[in-house]
Amino acid sequence: DAKTTQPPSMDCAEGRAANLPCNHSTISGNEYVYWYRQIHSQGPQYIIHGLKNNETNEMASLIITEDRKSSTLILPHATLRDTAVYYCIVRVEYGNKLVFGAGTILRVKS
Amino acid sequence: GAGVSQSPSNKVTEKGKDVELRCDPISGHTALYWYRQSLGQGLEFLIYFQGNSAPDKSGLPSDRFSAERTGGSVSTLTIQRTQQEDSAVYLCASSSNRDTQYFGPGTRLTVL
Repeated sequence: DAKTTQPPSMDCAEGRAANLPCNHSTISGNEYVYWYRQIHSQGPQYIIHGLKNNETNEMASLIITEDRKSSTLILPHATLRDTAVYYCIVRVEYGNKLVFGAGTILRVKS
Repeated sequence: GAGVSQSPSNKVTEKGKDVELRCDPISGHTALYWYRQSLGQGLEFLIYFQGNSAPDKSGLPSDRFSAERTGGSVSTLTIQRTQQEDSAVYLCASSSNRDTQYFGPGTRLTVL
């Protein structure tokens, strides 16, 4: 699976949009971009995934560049409960294990 | 609906003892995964079950670790002769046909 690069940490004001970037310049044509988050002392939580089109669900939006070498996870109105480590993972859709990097620590501040 | 459940939530054991950790996947999910997360570290893949196929054991760190999945549902991860370096949070995930993985809350294992 392709490797990803994320900033180690980010801060966001409560109520504002949180934009979390991820670089995956070696992504293959059949690999999806998955986002998970892990709130302290909990198991990872699935957020969203996509192949090449932008995706939106009740939690977030995923914007993937046309060349698919990078993506941005958008939390439209961040709350204090969104403080977590956010992981960007590239994986074939029906692959086996997930390979987690270090992720981005998002701190939402009031 | 019910998510992935794991038991116990916490386990404290003495070095050298055996432990069993249990995972109940989401009903109908054919794939089941075990990971572990040491303090301050990322998730490390351990083992993966898919239907009746032979499990992928490539992530198991030593032969003290084993896992089974009975009847294609519940899974048990067994660690024999535990060592202090085995202390970690053990996470289980399940998915439908190897699609999106959904994680349980984990079992925190402490080896004294």
